[in-house]
This record gives sequence, structure tokens and C-alpha cells, in this order.
Amino acid sequence: DQQVKQNSPSLSVQEGRISILNCDYTNSMFDYFLWYKKYPAEGPTFLISISSIKDKNEDGRFTVFLNKSAKHLSLHIVPSQPGDSAVYFCAVYNTNAGKSTFGDGTTLTVKP
Amino acid sequence: DTAVSQTPKYLVTQMGNDKSIKCEQNLGHDTMYWYKQDSKKFLKIMFSYNNKELIINETVPNRFSPKSPDKAHLNLHINSLELGDSAVYFCASSLRDRDHEQYFGPGTRLTVT
Repeated sequence: DQQVKQNSPSLSVQEGRISILNCDYTNSMFDYFLWYKKYPAEGPTFLISISSIKDKNEDGRFTVFLNKSAKHLSLHIVPSQPGDSAVYFCAVYNTNAGKSTFGDGTTLTVKP
Repeated sequence: DTAVSQTPKYLVTQMGNDKSIKCEQNLGHDTMYWYKQDSKKFLKIMFSYNNKELIINETVPNRFSPKSPDKAHLNLHINSLELGDSAVYFCASSLRDRDHEQYFGPGTRLTVT
């Protein structure tokens, strides 16, 4: 069973505009929600996280929103830059289990 | 100055062989992990070690054996390789009390022919 879903395999955005990446999860046992960014032939890089007690966390151009009632997580990038083009993975973390579960990624392309 | 390093980056081998992938982190982290990224691009945890002790073993075949000689190293040994073992394997590490933020190595692409 897939606990974390990223329903959009790809997203294309014009430079300067907002990119919105979405993620849905299936149960409520998670304590942290995260986004990772991955360039080809590299490992994922931690981008931003949010704890389950918050609904928004902002870091520069990146903002993560958590809607617990909808079991939905989103990442907003404003303004988008060509260097943001990468695969973005959302992940959920259960502290008791000590493990993260990842979605299958969304490829973001930011066009100049 | 690489934080989490893996060797080799690419590994091509035949079915039935035994191979190892090495991982080292210089971040002073307490927990290390092995993940497998399959053809569907999902990253799935295989093992985690905290200060050389096995914490998570996610129903991985016992042909896979992790070994942690010290808390900065976590190696993965695979016996009797099968075609289905072909994947990208990522090592990661995290700091105690911030285990949700994991730092990944560059990956090892294993191809079994």
C-alpha cells in the first residue's frame, strides 16, 4: 500500500511564477512532513520540513503547507528559478517507527 | 568536502555474485540508513543503524547484510545477486533528535546482468 502519493509526475512552470507541488498521505501517524529535492545522478537533498503541530513553515522562497484534516502537504516555490528544476520528493516521518516514507516524486521544470 | 559518500558510484555485475557498497559520513551523525530506489522511483528504507546498532530491518532478504564498523560507516553486502536487485542504493545519515532530516549520499547504481 502506498502511504504517500504525489499524483503529478511532472510540472512545468515559467521562471518567476509560483510552483506548487502536492502530496497526499493516508494515515495520521506521522510527526514530520518533508520535501527533498533531487538532481540527476545525485542523492536527495533535504529542503524543508514541517512538524505535525504546525500548518505552515517558510524558508526563503520555499513554503510548506500542511492540511492535516485533508492529509495533504504542499510545497510552494516563489519565485521559481531555472535552478529549481529537479525531482521533488515529499516524505513523512514517524518518530516511533524511526523511519521516513517517500512519495515517488514530481519532476519540476522551470522554463526561462 | 563530501558529507555522505558512497563507493562505488556504479556497479555492474553478474547474477550470483557477491558485492559490497561502502558508505561514510563525516557529519558526526548518529544514525545511518540504506535506501533502495527501484524502477518506479520510490525510495524505500532497507536498514537503519544508530551508533552501530541495527534499528530498522524492513523485511529485506537476508542476502542483504549491513555492517557498521563504527558510527561513521555503514556498508551493505549483498550475496547471490539477482536481477531484481538492480536499483540505485542510497546511503543517508541523520543527527539524533533530528532524524526526520536525512542527508543522502550520491547513490550507487547497481546493475545485475
